[in-house]
Amino acid sequence: RKEVEQDPGPFNVPEGATVAFNCTYSNSASQSFFWYRQDCRKEPKLLMSVYSSGNEDGRFTAQLNRASQYISLLIRDSKLSDSATYLCVVNIREAAGNKLTFGGGTRVLVKP
Amino acid sequence: GAGVSQSPSNKVTEKGKDVELRCDPISGHTALYWYRQSLGQGLEFLIYFQGNSAPDKSGLPSDRFSAERTGGSVSTLTIQRTQQEDSAVYLCASSLELGQRGNQPQHFGDGTRLSIL
Repeated sequence: RKEVEQDPGPFNVPEGATVAFNCTYSNSASQSFFWYRQDCRKEPKLLMSVYSSGNEDGRFTAQLNRASQYISLLIRDSKLSDSATYLCVVNIREAAGNKLTFGGGTRVLVKP
Repeated sequence: GAGVSQSPSNKVTEKGKDVELRCDPISGHTALYWYRQSLGQGLEFLIYFQGNSAPDKSGLPSDRFSAERTGGSVSTLTIQRTQQEDSAVYLCASSLELGQRGNQPQHFGDGTRLSIL
């Protein structure tokens, strides 16, 4: 089983709609969590950190469920520019330091 | 401020040749990662350096791949006797290590697009 798993999609979303997807992680010692966005043929860019109590950044809402070991990302009022691959990242504290592990990404396509 | 810098941005080489890819992390970042990404695929972890600790090489696909990080800063990823399946974008990322909290995201370079003919 992969340490961090995501539904690869694609999620086809009408413009203006809401879309949500999850990311599951296997290591209960995981400490911190992030969502990255990657556009086609570009490097990943940090979208938002995920806090224990959940957090919002504009149209984006991130949630963490430690009991079930998943994080989620919800995008409201989808824009065409939201089309991208969303990567889930989990940080685990190891003896040598922190190690971040990426999921395979969830592809989102927003259509007019 | 300066971000993660990778060079070259593009590299085209013949099968069988050796290549060296360079990553200059953000100053002060103790953690450095190498990934590769084939077209339409997710990120594949290759190797991880953290301070003076022994690197985590668990992601290196074969013994043709090696990496070093000199002086805790610049890193070089070397691929010997390149094969066509090595064609990919090679991404480097660095992050700041902050004690126990670990809430430090990675910052990525623009990548090196490697094409093996």
